[in-house]
Amino acid sequence: ELKVEQNPLFLSMQEGKNYTIYCNYSTTSDRLYWYRQDPGKSLESLFVLLSNGAVKQEGRLMASLDTKARLSTLHITAAVHDLSATYFCAVDVSRGNEKLTFGTGTRLTIIP
Amino acid sequence: DAGVIQSPRHEVTEMGQEVTLRCKPISGHDYLFWYRQTMMRGLELLIYFNNNVPIDDSGMPEDRFSAKMPNASFSTLKIQPSEPRDSAVYFCASSSRRGTTDTQYFGPGTRLTVL
Repeated sequence: ELKVEQNPLFLSMQEGKNYTIYCNYSTTSDRLYWYRQDPGKSLESLFVLLSNGAVKQEGRLMASLDTKARLSTLHITAAVHDLSATYFCAVDVSRGNEKLTFGTGTRLTIIP
Repeated sequence: DAGVIQSPRHEVTEMGQEVTLRCKPISGHDYLFWYRQTMMRGLELLIYFNNNVPIDDSGMPEDRFSAKMPNASFSTLKIQPSEPRDSAVYFCASSSRRGTTDTQYFGPGTRLTVL
């Protein structure tokens, strides 16, 4: 059974600081997704990582994928309050299987 | 594009009643997914369809749950009879394999409360 683990589960950080969220998964995968969810809202797609070594950046967020280590990271640079949300990674086991398994989520709170 | 549309946005019902949740996927998308989100269990995939055909319903919790997709622009998730433990937010998502990323786009969700 595929397991997708995120850590930390909760993260409180000050504005202006840098931090990294980790996503580990238990079996081979050829694509990984990052989503953001604001309280009471839906999930919004942030990044799609399609191959080993893939790196995507959007504003203060940067995501990377290491398929050999079965690890993805979401790095936050110089955090601002607007980034407060819950971040999910999701893994697609194989190209032919559209089924995503979501991680537990990381609730990020940026403190002014 | 209007995005994925779900209705109702909120539903409060009493135990034992039938509940029907509705979803309209993004036009042109050939995959449709139903998820359930709770604090205890996180985000769970219940069932998904490809070209209106159910592909995997292994996440459907029990026989009280059923889902249909009669055409490419409409799907329903039905719970009969409903129980308090079914209280959750139910999301519908859609995607297309015509692109390279297969990103799933989520609807706003239906918050279901069963009393």
